[in-house]
Amino acid sequence: AQSVTQLDSQVPVFEEAPVELRCNYSSSVSVYLFWYVQYPNQGLQLLLKYLSGSTLVKGINGFEAEFNKSQTSFHLRKPSVHISDTAEYFCAHITGGGNKLTFGTGTQLKVEL
Amino acid sequence: DTAVSQTPKYLVTQMGNDKSIKCEQNLGHDTMYWYKQDSKKFLKIMFSYNNKELIINETVPNRFSPKSPDKAHLNLHINSLELGDSAVYFCASSTRNSGKLSSSYNEQFFGPGTRLTVL
Repeated sequence: AQSVTQLDSQVPVFEEAPVELRCNYSSSVSVYLFWYVQYPNQGLQLLLKYLSGSTLVKGINGFEAEFNKSQTSFHLRKPSVHISDTAEYFCAHITGGGNKLTFGTGTQLKVEL
Repeated sequence: DTAVSQTPKYLVTQMGNDKSIKCEQNLGHDTMYWYKQDSKKFLKIMFSYNNKELIINETVPNRFSPKSPDKAHLNLHINSLELGDSAVYFCASSTRNSGKLSSSYNEQFFGPGTRLTVL
C-alpha cells in the first residue's frame, strides 16, 4: 500500500492564484514528511520538511505545508504562484533510520498566464 | 562547484549491452544513493552506501550492481540491459542520519540525473 498518497496527478493554475497540492500519509509511516520539487530536466530539491514541533512548516520559494495528524495530511500551499513554479512536486516520508526516502507519485503543477 | 555530479547525462544503448553510470559528490558526505524514476515520474530508491558499505538494497534485479570505490563515488553498473531499464537514474548524497530525526536531519542532495534509453 502506498504510504504517502498524492491525490492529484496534475494541477493547472493561473499565475498569481493560490495553490494547494495534497498529500496524505498512512498512519503506519513515520511522521517525518517532506516535499521535494523537480524542475523540468533537473534533479530534486528539498522544499520543506516536518520532523517535529510547529505543524506549520515554511519552506523555500514561498511554499508552506501544514502537518495535520487528525487528517493524516501534509498539504503544500502557496498563496500566489509564479510561472517559474511549474514543476513536479513530490511528497515523501523517511524510514531506514532516516536514510530511505519513499516518494509519492508526484503532482505536476502547471502555472499558466 | 560543490555538488553531486553524474556522467553521462544521456545514455542511449541497445538491449543486451552492459553500461555504467558514474556519480561523484564533493560535499564531504558519507552516504550515497541511487534512485530510479520511470516514465510516469515514479521515483524509487534502489541502493544506498555508507562509507563504501551497502546499507539499503531494494528489490532490484541483480543485473544492477552498485560499486563504491570510495565514499565520494557511487557508480551503477547494469548488465544485459532490457527495455524496461529505460528511465532517469538519480544519484544523491547526504551525511548519514542516525534515526532520531526530530532534533536534526541531514538532507539528501540530488544529482541532475542520467536519462537511459534502451532500444
